[in-house]
Parts: sequence; C-alpha cells; structure tokens
Amino acid sequence: KAGVTQTPRYLIKTRGQQVTLSCSPISGHRSVSWYQQTPGQGLQFLFEYFSETQRNKGNFPGRFSGRQFSNSRSEMNVSTLELGDSALYLCASSLDGRVEAFFGQGTRLTVV
Amino acid sequence: AQTVTQSQPEMSVQEAETVTLSCTYDTSESDYYLFWYKQPPSRQMILVIRQEAYKQQNATENRFSVNFQKAAKSFSLKISDSQLGDAAMYFCAYRRSGNQFYFGTGTSLTVIP
Repeated sequence: KAGVTQTPRYLIKTRGQQVTLSCSPISGHRSVSWYQQTPGQGLQFLFEYFSETQRNKGNFPGRFSGRQFSNSRSEMNVSTLELGDSALYLCASSLDGRVEAFFGQGTRLTVV
Repeated sequence: AQTVTQSQPEMSVQEAETVTLSCTYDTSESDYYLFWYKQPPSRQMILVIRQEAYKQQNATENRFSVNFQKAAKSFSLKISDSQLGDAAMYFCAYRRSGNQFYFGTGTSLTVIP
C-alpha cells in the first residue's frame, strides 16, 4: 500500500511569487491536513479537508489556501510569498480523522 | 485552546538503557487521542504510539510504552533498550476529532553508543 506522497520534495521560490504544493493521501483515506514546520514556531496546523470540504482552519493569513479533489488529493497554495514562509510543509492522511494519521515526507519550501 | 508542552528540548541516553520523555497537555475535552511521533533527519513523521483517552490501560508497542495520567494531563513516553536508530526528534501530539493535531515543541533524543 503506497504511503502519503507529497510533491515536489524541494522548491525554491522568489518573494512575491505563488506556489502550489500537492499531497496524495493513502488510497481510501478521505481526510488530509496540512502543517507548517519551522524552527521558530514548530509544527502549526494550516487546514484540514475531508471529502472535498474544509473542516478546520488554523490561524494563518488568507494567502494560505487549499482544496481537495474528488479523489482526495489535496493542494495547498501560498500567494505573494514572504521570506517567513520558508518551511517544511507536511500533510497528514487519515481514513476519517478518528484513527491515526500518516504523514508524507514533506515539501521543503525556500523563499529567497 | 489545546496546548501541548514538552519541557525537555534535549535528552540523551546510553545505548541499551531506558529513557523517559515528558509531555503535558491542556484540554477541557474528555474524549481525545494522544500520540508520540518520531521525526528522524529524513523529516518523515513516524507514528510511535497512540493512546485513546477513554482507555485506562497504558499503550505499549514493543520497546515503547506510555504513562498516561488523565487527571494530571500527563503523557510520557518510555523507550526501553534504546537503540541507535531511536535517535530523532520526538513530538507529543494531541487530537480531539478530525485530522487536526496540536504538537509540542519536540524533544531531541541522542543515543550514545
């Protein structure tokens, strides 16, 4: 059974640009959540999608958005990138949000 | 709001010895889940062990066990017979419902040969 796949693994962008990250959950999993990991702030929850609907949202500016497709794959988008957006972005896949979640390897975003 | 506190930024243990990582959390909920995740240098978050709050029995997974004290809101991880491969950052996490985790700041574990 394939694990959670995040693409791309590494990304370098310039301030002001936008970026889209992708997360393919484990087959059959309908819940995907996203996290930002930085040395200063640790792991912070961005948002959760379940069956194409945003179920929860963390305390991030509107520049951070996401969506989930009918096949449960999820994308997150960050517009008008800032240097502080440099981070490891992790997604977690869960069957229905009631059992354990499995994490992808993350996308390392560097904003220059 | 839920908070998770790990008061030990760094810990070290001799190979084959036992180490305990501490975690406390704050919640007003009665039904929730607690987890320990391991993050090695590869950055892959790996589930170590989980505990359902309604279960009084402490969870155990091979060399890993927890001491869950619900009234004290404490959830410590004990690693027995430590191995070099156990070296990693360990995160304590809380989840009530859905797929929204609250993480502690992590404990960096070093295993000394």
